[in-house]
Amino acid sequence: QSALTQPPSASGSPGQSVTISCTGTSSDVGGSNSVSWYQQHPGKAPKLMIYEVNKRPSGVPDRFSGSKSGNTASLTVSGLQAEDEADYYCSSYTGSPRASYVFGTGTKVTVL
Amino acid sequence: QVQLVQSGAEVKKPGASVKVSCKASGYTFTGYYMHWVRQAPGQGLEYMGWINPNGGDTYSVQKFQGRVTMTRDTSISTDYMELSRLTSEDTAVYYCAREPPRTGGFDYWGQGSLVTVSS
Repeated sequence: QSALTQPPSASGSPGQSVTISCTGTSSDVGGSNSVSWYQQHPGKAPKLMIYEVNKRPSGVPDRFSGSKSGNTASLTVSGLQAEDEADYYCSSYTGSPRASYVFGTGTKVTVL
Repeated sequence: QVQLVQSGAEVKKPGASVKVSCKASGYTFTGYYMHWVRQAPGQGLEYMGWINPNGGDTYSVQKFQGRVTMTRDTSISTDYMELSRLTSEDTAVYYCAREPPRTGGFDYWGQGSLVTVSS
């Protein structure tokens, strides 16, 4: 079970948009709608930002959006704000060999 | 409000075992899966496994099979994750995380428990 592939870093100026990719296989991202995204600030527990590819939990700003095409999922943060600077991880359900999950390698987002 | 409160930091010697607890409150404990995730210092999140709502079934990913035991005490709304035969590579923050039914997302997380393995 290999980790999903994310770019190590991404950046943008305040107000701009940044998109993070998350590439897996047909056994995870490509074969499931249970793709989620987490934001993690230093020393804190991860926070759910997107689930089921493109749904936002209550309280998450609509500046955060998710999508998926084939084996690649994406998280877009629009209107970047200073507090968006954090590490972001994708996660996907995988049914092989049994139901479980796999995380992405993580992306550090810097607000310039 | 939903809370997952984990046990405190532990220091263990190589070869020992550690048991981390995760006490839930604010929701119907037996209605949710609980997952365990760890994060080594400066590294990313690593998925470990899950326990089902009634505690009757568990699964851990291959890397941890044979070394991890996940249990649930529904009488006190607490989950446990025990990891045996510790090595320095098991030094990490261990998190429990709740999964709402059929969403595939972990909506609440414990605060994390630091386990340090050192001789």
